Amino acid sequence: SQKIEQNSEALNIQEGKTATLTCNYTNYSPAYLQWYRQDPGRGPVFLLLIRENEKEKRKERLKVTFDTTLKQSLFHITASQPADSATYLCALGDTGRRALTFGSGTRLQVQP
Amino acid sequence: DAGVTQSPTHLIKTRGQQVTLRCSPKSGHDTVSWYQQALGQGPQFIFQYYEEEERQRGNFPDRFSGHQFPNYSSELNVNALLLGDSALYLCASSYDPAEQYFGPGTRLTVT
Repeated sequence: SQKIEQNSEALNIQEGKTATLTCNYTNYSPAYLQWYRQDPGRGPVFLLLIRENEKEKRKERLKVTFDTTLKQSLFHITASQPADSATYLCALGDTGRRALTFGSGTRLQVQP
Repeated sequence: DAGVTQSPTHLIKTRGQQVTLRCSPKSGHDTVSWYQQALGQGPQFIFQYYEEEERQRGNFPDRFSGHQFPNYSSELNVNALLLGDSALYLCASSYDPAEQYFGPGTRLTVT
């Protein structure tokens, strides 16, 4: 069955450093991958979309890579700030199934 | 431009009762999807509505049903509530299925 793995342990980093979060998947051939930010008790907020034919996408301090051979996406936040502290979810989708399949998320804590 | 809105924000129900949750999509979006998110987990897809029809359904029992209205707003109904139905219920709207925008969610507690 399809499986998406994100590091369940919280990631703690110092302000100003680069945070790198990992999303691995198995038994899936996604057409696109998305990253969302979610604060406690709130809905996920869309951050970035990367399609299967793209290797890398950037938006301000965010960078996403997508390796369909390794079945892995990396999500980077450069010059991290305490305000970046949240849970980050990766989600996969394809053109056939319109539903998104989510990982369980990784909690990022940026220490001032 | 209003984003996705959901009501109510919080809800407490008793086992066996029925509940209706509501969602208004972002302006210009014609598709609404519903997700259930248990504590510490990622959202799980319940179903999606387009042109007032259920277009796709996840692995949820028939107790979960929905509706989409001509103005694209949507309702999620859950019958015969179980304790395990306690969760954050999220609505997401989209025009391009690859870009879904989520509402703030409805926190349902079943006692």
